[in-house]
Amino acid sequence: EVQLVESGGGLVQPGRSLRLSCAASGFTFDDYAMHWVRQAPGKGLEWVSGISWNSGSIGYADSVKGRFTISRDNAKNSLYLQMNSLRAEDTALYYCAKSTVTTGGAFDIWGQGTMVTVSS
Amino acid sequence: EIVLTQSPGTLSLSPGERATLSCRASQSVSSSYLAWYQQKPGQAPRLLIYGASSRATGIPDRFSGSGSGTDFTLTISRLEPEDFAVYYCQQYGSSPPNTFGQGTKLEIK
Repeated sequence: EVQLVESGGGLVQPGRSLRLSCAASGFTFDDYAMHWVRQAPGKGLEWVSGISWNSGSIGYADSVKGRFTISRDNAKNSLYLQMNSLRAEDTALYYCAKSTVTTGGAFDIWGQGTMVTVSS
Repeated sequence: EIVLTQSPGTLSLSPGERATLSCRASQSVSSSYLAWYQQKPGQAPRLLIYGASSRATGIPDRFSGSGSGTDFTLTISRLEPEDFAVYYCQQYGSSPPNTFGQGTKLEIK
């Protein structure tokens, strides 16, 4: 079964850091680009960051550029999001999503998300 | 950055009716890199359409996508009870950023 399972969310104070992980199974992880997408409570979807199959192409939304770092470990079938200098507006459900191709592509598999709450 | 504007914000229809959802881009979407997703409450989004008009695996043929350039449409030919949800369009490609529209809520009339 193709599956993505996120972890690492929680309650964190403004200015602190958090690292999200996404464990992939059921497909050849290093054949596909991967992404993080977030959804604030009651709001729409916001693309956060994406990484190509070999980490050669990486992109960020302007709202997180300079604060968040995406990475992947193909040997461990895992995707990561290091989030620094967190703000209240980063509060959201963070989804890991699999692309349909090695770079770019639509998102055909999604995890169930991990909740990040930034509050003092 | 390409901005996607979806309309209407809310669409009220009855089962069996035809739904037409619109997604307009602020600039041309290259190679029709336009996707549509469905999201139900408490669930992750599900890919319906990619490449503007190709159905994803397992998607019923009552869902169809069309358009190019800056204007795209998702059509649901005959609404089933399970189709009432929020729908998002997305532009993607080899270069970031990806962007999503703000969503259209399809509700039962």
